[in-house]
Amino acid sequence: DSGVTQTPKHLITATGQRVTLRCSPRSGDLSVYWYQQSLDQGLQFLIHYYNGEERAKGNILERFSAQQFPDLHSELNLSSLELGDSALYFCASSARQGERYGYTFGSGTRLTVV
Amino acid sequence: ILNVEQSPQSLHVQEGDSTNFTCSFPSSNFYALHWYRWETAKSPEALFVMTLNGDEKKKGRISATLNTKEGYSYLYIKGSQPEDSATYLCAFIYYNQGGKLIFGQGTELSVKP
Repeated sequence: DSGVTQTPKHLITATGQRVTLRCSPRSGDLSVYWYQQSLDQGLQFLIHYYNGEERAKGNILERFSAQQFPDLHSELNLSSLELGDSALYFCASSARQGERYGYTFGSGTRLTVV
Repeated sequence: ILNVEQSPQSLHVQEGDSTNFTCSFPSSNFYALHWYRWETAKSPEALFVMTLNGDEKKKGRISATLNTKEGYSYLYIKGSQPEDSATYLCAFIYYNQGGKLIFGQGTELSVKP
C-alpha cells in the first residue's frame, strides 16, 4: 500500500455519461497530480493541485475537470464520455519538494467506456 | 514539443544477466529526472530522483547515472532476478514547470529463471 488511495479501482460506463474518480493523497502530502495512460501511450500529465489550488495543467480535455478539497483529497470529473476516454487514470501525491524527492502513485482507476 | 525517449522498448534476459536501459531527454531547462519501477497490476514506485549532472545513485543491484549536458540517463541492473521483471519508466521535469512529470514510454524488462 503506497498510502495514496484511489477509488474506484474499476469503472465501466456508457458513452455520454459522467464519472468521478477520487484520490486521497498520502498523509502530509499537499500536492496531487493526475495522469492518464491510454492504450499504447505513456503516462500523460493532466493536472496538478497544491493545497487546493491549481498549479499546472497538461493536455486535459475541456470535458474533464478536477478539484482539490480542504481535506486535500482530489476528484477528477470526466463528462460526456467517449470510447477514447477508456484508460488507466493515476493520481500521485508529493510533499512540497516532490520533484526532488519523488512522487507516490496510487494503484489507479481503470475506466472502460462502452 | 518535448520528447522523453527510452530504449529499448522491451528486453528479455536470463536470470543473472546484467542489463541497462537508456533515457534521453532535452538538455535545456533541466530540473530533475525520476526513475520509476512499475510492476503489472501495481502502482509506479519511485526508484531514483536525480538532479545534478554526474549524479550516480544506487539501490541494491540497481544503479543510475545522469548526464544533463548531453541529455541522457542510464539505469543498470546487475545480476537480474525474476522479481526485477517490470516496466522501468523515466520522467523528466522542466525547470519552473510546477513539478509536472513528462514520462517516457518505458522499458519492459522480463527476466527468465
